[in-house]
Amino acid sequence: DSGVTQTPKHLITATGQRVTLRCSPRSGDLSVYWYQQSLDQGLQFLIQYYNGEERAKGNILERFSAQQFPDLHSELNLSSLELGDSALYFCASSNNYEQYFGPGTRLTVT
Amino acid sequence: DQQVKQNSPSLSVQEGRISILNCDYTNSMFDYFLWYKKYPAEGPTFLISISSIKDKNEDGRFTVFLNKSAKHLSLHIVPSQPGDSAVYFCAADGSSNTGKLIFGQGTTLQVKP
Repeated sequence: DSGVTQTPKHLITATGQRVTLRCSPRSGDLSVYWYQQSLDQGLQFLIQYYNGEERAKGNILERFSAQQFPDLHSELNLSSLELGDSALYFCASSNNYEQYFGPGTRLTVT
Repeated sequence: DQQVKQNSPSLSVQEGRISILNCDYTNSMFDYFLWYKKYPAEGPTFLISISSIKDKNEDGRFTVFLNKSAKHLSLHIVPSQPGDSAVYFCAADGSSNTGKLIFGQGTTLQVKP
């Protein structure tokens, strides 16, 4: 158990819809990262927050947004969903180089 | 442009033998490297890391070697155990300010009893 929690575990929704994925970091970790893993793909960095502020952006679509709240939990919002957004979404947290990953949310867009 | 590459999609070894997983990178600015293990339906689990100022780091059965001139790192698992069967990802951190990790595509290791 990494100490990072993610909800929900599974999400099935239709194209055009909007969903919110939630992540609670390990106790004491200030940084939260979001990654996407599509079928047969490696992990792609989406975005990082540090203590409530956006720190770095990767290949995150404009339809996607994230935020980190004062209690350090984070949410990833995905809107106008397309079939190609079906993937595993992982959250990770860290206080140094080593990132600790949550179990992921499997999103299926039908 | 893939900056971190794991050219072997799969590897099969016998229990008790050595497993060697390889990773190449293209960006000489990367200053920290990590290996993660991933089981199906779980998140990646941190295994071991190495700073670019070192060429070797060891933790129990796991050793990571870094060859900066060749831009190559490898993970050695000795002895391999069936429970080591998983997907292994190498990752590189090129920015000490953000901790953004760039992952390879992964190598599936199968350890046969």
